[in-house]
Amino acid sequence: NAGVTQTPKFRVLKTGQSMTLLCAQDMNHEYMYWYRQDPGMGLRLIHYSVGEGTTAKGEVPDGYNVSRLKKQNFLLGLESAAPSQTSVYFCAIGRGGLGEQFFGPGTRLTVL
Amino acid sequence: KNEVEQSPQNLTAQEGEFITINCSYSVGISALHWLQQHPGGGIVSLFMLSSGKKKHGRLIATINIQEKHSSLHITASHPRDSAVYICAVPLSGGGADGLTFGKGTHLIIQP
Repeated sequence: NAGVTQTPKFRVLKTGQSMTLLCAQDMNHEYMYWYRQDPGMGLRLIHYSVGEGTTAKGEVPDGYNVSRLKKQNFLLGLESAAPSQTSVYFCAIGRGGLGEQFFGPGTRLTVL
Repeated sequence: KNEVEQSPQNLTAQEGEFITINCSYSVGISALHWLQQHPGGGIVSLFMLSSGKKKHGRLIATINIQEKHSSLHITASHPRDSAVYICAVPLSGGGADGLTFGKGTHLIIQP
């Protein structure tokens, strides 16, 4: 039982390149979230999903796209990476409302 | 959108001291979360509470819904408690649409 996993753990991109971050869960939770963490800013919500086939925008969605084709996977895409997207990305899962959230180990992304 | 303020931002204490970290928020909520982030980067949920008080070992969390304020206490602090402690509340009060976070309290416990 791995809980929440994220792939890859580290990545360096050049400006303009694209990539996809994968979040996978084996806890059967409906809700999945993508956050980014930047120094001095705290964690901020990028996009989230309340179930298979659904996605919604969070606080800072610009420059990112997401998909939830399978309940256990939530993908975060960067179509054309920018240096401002250098950050640590965390996936989290939960049951929404009064449920606690469980976080993945994070992906450290650097865009040069 | 809910706004979260934490204090202090940094705290250094000696082993054994009683630690208090404070959190205030702007909009009524269904539940408040306290999280811990160790230097390695992983984030762990410590508490989720909607009223009163919860205790896990040496950690105690309290919340005052009327005053929109919560505190995290650590009794008999130990160097292994050194971490960043983060308060979080639902973005819009209800909880399904994700959390908004304080900037964290960086705690160092010296032996």
